[in-house]
This record gives sequence, structure tokens and C-alpha cells, in this order.
Amino acid sequence: GESVGLHLPTLSVQEGDNSIINCAYSNSASDYFIWYKQESGKGPQFIIDIRSNMDKRQGQRVTVLLNKTVKHLSLQIAATQPGDSAVYFCAENGAAAGNKLTFGGGTRVLVKP
Amino acid sequence: DAMVIQNPRYQVTQFGKPVTLSCSQTLNHNVMYWYQQKSSQAPKLLFHYYDKDFNNEADTPDNFQSRRPNTSFCFLDIRSPGLGDAAMYLCATSRDRNQETQYFGPGTRLLVL
Repeated sequence: GESVGLHLPTLSVQEGDNSIINCAYSNSASDYFIWYKQESGKGPQFIIDIRSNMDKRQGQRVTVLLNKTVKHLSLQIAATQPGDSAVYFCAENGAAAGNKLTFGGGTRVLVKP
Repeated sequence: DAMVIQNPRYQVTQFGKPVTLSCSQTLNHNVMYWYQQKSSQAPKLLFHYYDKDFNNEADTPDNFQSRRPNTSFCFLDIRSPGLGDAAMYLCATSRDRNQETQYFGPGTRLLVL
């Protein structure tokens, strides 16, 4: 079936540095993507989304990049803080995913002080 | 203010003893979802309600049922919990199904003894 997947299961980053989390998807018709942050024992929290008519979208300290040519998206976190330690999921929701949220496998980000 | 509320946050039940988890939302969203999430895995969709229309995933066991008595509330019933049903259960809502962000509750951690 179609899938949304992540390259790196764990990312260790120094506090203050930038973090980059990568995600690949397999369906070229995918048209809407979401990044979620999940802290231990909590539900996924919406971070940022992007539609396929965009290449880049910025939020507060976060930027999502979408490369439709290679079916890849990334989440960049600027000046990573201890509170950014969590598991990050990319997800797709659109007609290509059967109007369901299809999650990637998750990347754990560990911020070192 | 909490928008998707789940009760209880922790639930302990005995093997085979029916259990009900609850979810409520203040967003007035049309769609409500139930996910199961096991350790170090992405959430897995069990079913969803689009308004009053129930949509079951093909691989959701019959042991799992759901009720949505009104727009605000949705329940997950596990008729005969097994040890393998121990997991985090997440409720989510969205305004519509296609290309819409889903907002998650904090989850209920179910322990089966």
C-alpha cells in the first residue's frame, strides 16, 4: 500500500542547534502533509502543515519543505530547545490517502543541554 | 482551553472485562476518530464517525466498537479486552475528512491485567 516513511529513527541534537527531520512518501498524488509532535504520554500535537501547491511554509521556529520531484518533505526546527524533545511524525491526509491520516514511522528527537 | 478531552487518562481493566473510553470535543467538528497506539509505533486508525455515519477500518477487530450519541461525544467500547489490547487510545477530530488537520486528545492509557 501507499506509505509515508521517515529516514532517521533517532536524532540527537545540541541545544541551540537546528534540527532537520526528513520524511519520504510514495504516492505522487499526495497533496496535503502534516507534521505532529508527540511528547511522552501525550497525544500528537499539530505543528505545521503544507499543501502540494507550496514548496515551503514557515511557522514559529519551524519550517516545512516539500520536494514533490523526489517525494520528500522535511521539518526544520531552529534553535532547538529542551522542550523540543519528542517524537515527530509526518502524516499525509488527502484524496491520495483515502481521506485518512497516514502516518510515517516517527523520529525521536533528543536535545542535549 | 482543552479542545479534545479524553477520560479517563489511565484505565486499568481485567482480561475479558468490558471497558469504555470516552472522548468529547468543543470544536464542533464533524469527524471524530479513534486510534490505537502501541509503544514506539505510529497511531493506527480503528474507525471514525463522519457526523453519524460510522466507518470501520477493515482490520479493526470486532472486539472494538464505537458510539457517537451526539456531535460532542464519542465512545470506544472494548467488549472483551485481551492483553494485546493494552495501548494508548487516542481520539481525534477534524472539520472534514479530506485535506483537513486532525486534532488529538491527550489519550487514554489502557492497562489489561
